[in-house]
Amino acid sequence: EVQLLESGGGLVQPGGSLRLSCAAPGFILRSYAMSWVRQAPGKGLEWVSLVDTSGGTTLYADSVKDRFTISRDNSKNTLSLQMNSLRAEDTAVYYCAKGRGGSYPESRTFDFWGQGALVTVSS
Amino acid sequence: IQLTQSPSSLSASVGDRVTITCRASQGISSDLVWYQQKPGKAPNLLIYAASTLQSGVPSRFSGSGSGTDFTLTIYSLQPEDFATYYCQQVNSFPLTFGGGTQVEIK
Repeated sequence: EVQLLESGGGLVQPGGSLRLSCAAPGFILRSYAMSWVRQAPGKGLEWVSLVDTSGGTTLYADSVKDRFTISRDNSKNTLSLQMNSLRAEDTAVYYCAKGRGGSYPESRTFDFWGQGALVTVSS
Repeated sequence: IQLTQSPSSLSASVGDRVTITCRASQGISSDLVWYQQKPGKAPNLLIYAASTLQSGVPSRFSGSGSGTDFTLTIYSLQPEDFATYYCQQVNSFPLTFGGGTQVEIK
């Protein structure tokens, strides 16, 4: 079974930056699209960003576009989310999610999720 | 594409049949996924392509629909099924989720 491990969450002031990472020990991620999905406290799920298998194509929700950057390092088998200009409304648990495959529609269906990393934006 | 789930919550008893509906604001073919989420846990994939059961998911879960109207049915609700259920469309970006349906114990 695939295990996804997020790290990098924490408390940050408004306007600050944070970088989340996701690792998959014992599983090779390079053949799968990867996404970040977040969930604000007591709220529903919100897709944040997706990166394709090569890292060459990245997509974002409008709410984070131009502030967040998704990337992957297939040589290190890791996924990252660089979050800049953070706002209070970015406070959420951020999940790393694996696509079922590398292309439509499998890439957009999430069959394994991490445990989540809590990001709190507050002064 | 907006997804509207109904009801937002329901109460049911063990053994009941439960039906949750997800309506898309425009046609999405069969590009609809269902997840289950328990408190404090990550979502779990139940059904993809509107009606295909994910490996390891009990057969009491069933999905149907295409176009704009979709249904998740749980036949004979079990104690471990009390959770929140979300639909997600994978037809176009941005990917979107429904607001969720919380299934509670009656």
